[in-house]
Amino acid sequence: SQQGEEDPQALSIQEGENATMNCSYKTSINNLQWYRQNSGRGLVHLILIRSNEREKHSGRLRVTLDTSKKSSSLLITASRAADTASYFCATDQAGTALIFGKGTTLSVSS
Amino acid sequence: NAGVMQNPRHLVRRRGQEARLRCSPMKGHSHVYWYRQLPEEGLKFMVYLQKENIIDESGMPKERFSAEFPKEGPSILRIQQVVRGDSAAYFCASSSTGRLNTEAFFGQGTRLTVV
Repeated sequence: SQQGEEDPQALSIQEGENATMNCSYKTSINNLQWYRQNSGRGLVHLILIRSNEREKHSGRLRVTLDTSKKSSSLLITASRAADTASYFCATDQAGTALIFGKGTTLSVSS
Repeated sequence: NAGVMQNPRHLVRRRGQEARLRCSPMKGHSHVYWYRQLPEEGLKFMVYLQKENIIDESGMPKERFSAEFPKEGPSILRIQQVVRGDSAAYFCASSSTGRLNTEAFFGQGTRLTVV
């Protein structure tokens, strides 16, 4: 399978805590993207990090990329109930289309 | 500027019938991708089309599934003689460049139920 793997599969935290999700992939990439999917909805793009970047920030999101380990992490700081969703990493390792992992389901309780 | 539009949102078909799923990309986008999502799973790539051309169909099942993106009108994913295993959410995404260094915009999906 060309899919990446997210870890953990599910994560439950309290509002205000930080949430960290990890993604591993198999072959070399040019960039990696993170998407969010609310229950029953389509995917929404969060952030893109290029292979020559090590860290990127967007609001409460922080993404890191370690190409030597073929892994990335997504950190959501000061989480809110509205952050409850599934989070997917996607890579261009297939060449013509984004390849998605199985996702991490985040549940934030108030 | 409307986003990616998929219809219908929900589709129920009996085994053996045909399912037609439509996707209108964002205005100005000529690259369309179809993905399938099974419950509790990630998205699996099916096919990548550009206007009137299939660029990559490596994720499409060899039988019963076909896709097109005509010069005019939406992209169509067609599933013939549906079986229960085809029940899933089908998502369409579009992009302006076809290069994977930009974000893809997703529709809300079509949830196909085969009874």
